[in-house]
Formats: sequence, structure tokens, C-alpha cells
Amino acid sequence: SAVISQKPSRDICQRGTSLTIQCQVDSQVTMMFWYRQQPGQSLTLIATANQGSEATYESGFVIDKFPISRPNLTFSTLTVSNMSPEDSSIYLCSAAGAAEKLFFGSGTQLSVL
Amino acid sequence: AQSVTQLGSHVSVSEGALVLLRCNYSSSVPPYLFWYVQYPNQGLQLLLKYTTGATLVKGINGFEAEFKKSETSFHLTKPSAHMSDAAEYFCAVSEGGYSTLTFGKGTMLLVSP
Repeated sequence: SAVISQKPSRDICQRGTSLTIQCQVDSQVTMMFWYRQQPGQSLTLIATANQGSEATYESGFVIDKFPISRPNLTFSTLTVSNMSPEDSSIYLCSAAGAAEKLFFGSGTQLSVL
Repeated sequence: AQSVTQLGSHVSVSEGALVLLRCNYSSSVPPYLFWYVQYPNQGLQLLLKYTTGATLVKGINGFEAEFKKSETSFHLTKPSAHMSDAAEYFCAVSEGGYSTLTFGKGTMLLVSP
């Protein structure tokens, strides 16, 4: 199994600012994913981040708003840019293990004022 | 397109009682099905999964789920609830590959003494 450390665990931000969320995995993984969980909603995939290539974004998410870095096989960041109150959500990173198994970080609770 | 419906955002049971969390899915191809659990302030953890083969799948902590193709269901059960089972449970479906994972909205399980 993989252990994922995600930080910050929570933050309160002003609109118009940006926040970078970090995700550290204790082993090398090829595929990492970023999800958003809005209040009362299911987890929605934002993008897939593979090391050495550009992140692949799902419909409704764009790189300018959610830039992602994947500098190596154990680390990734997601930035929420130019934030508005609608960005208030829980953001989760995950990493793909063997046999279709996903491991998740504990999430970042973001509130935008 | 695939989708997941979890019936009941909250389910309450007494300690020792049967736990039944309902999940129905839609998929255009034979699906992979998952149940994840999220304890407070922790990341999602895989409880069990169905890919192929035996339709009754056993997971961790005494949970099991049965894939019923005719009913497009994958309900999660546990014969006897423990206080430690109180958490949020997510059903998910995949048509193959991590990036196609679709989550339900989650069901919060409350266990009373």
C-alpha cells in the first residue's frame, strides 16, 4: 500500500488569491489524480498527472485555473488560481497502485471568503 | 456514460445491527465496482472491489458486497455494526482505467450504542 501526505489540511483564503496543495507519496507511482469534493456532492476528477507529461484535464477544468505539477514519481501539486467562493471545496489527491487500487490523501478543506 | 446512485445520504443503525448501504450503477460495459470508506480527517480507503469472477466480494473489517447485474446493484453489507464503522462510504464504478472512476455522493453511516 501507499501512504499519501497531503498539505495543507485546511485553509481559509481571500478571493483572487491562489493556493498550492502538495501531495507526497511514500513510494514511486506512475499515475496520480486530483479530485474535488464539493459540499453534498460526489468526488469529481479534476485531472490526471503523470510524471514527465502534461496533466490531462477533465471536462470543465482548465490548466489556467488548476495548474498541476508532477516533477517526479512521488510528488505532485495542484494550484487553485484566482479563487472565488465557488472554489470552496475539499481537494483530494490520489495515487494509483496495483490491481486498480487507488490510495488517497486526507484532503484539503478550502474555504474562500 | 457511467453513473452511481447511493440511496440515502445518511443511514443510522444500532451497534450489533445489520448494515446495508445501497448502491446502483449504470455502465455501458461490464463495470469494475468499488466501495471506499472515509473516516473523519482521513483519506478514502478501499473496502472492497469487484472486477470479474465471484459476484460476492469480501472486504476488510467484515464488509461484503454482491454484484447483481440484473439489478445493476452493488450493495454493501455487514452482519453486525460496530461503533468504529461510523464513517462515510462511497460507491464507485469504472469502465476500465483509473481516470474513468465515477463516485457516488456518499452515505454517512451513523452507529448508536
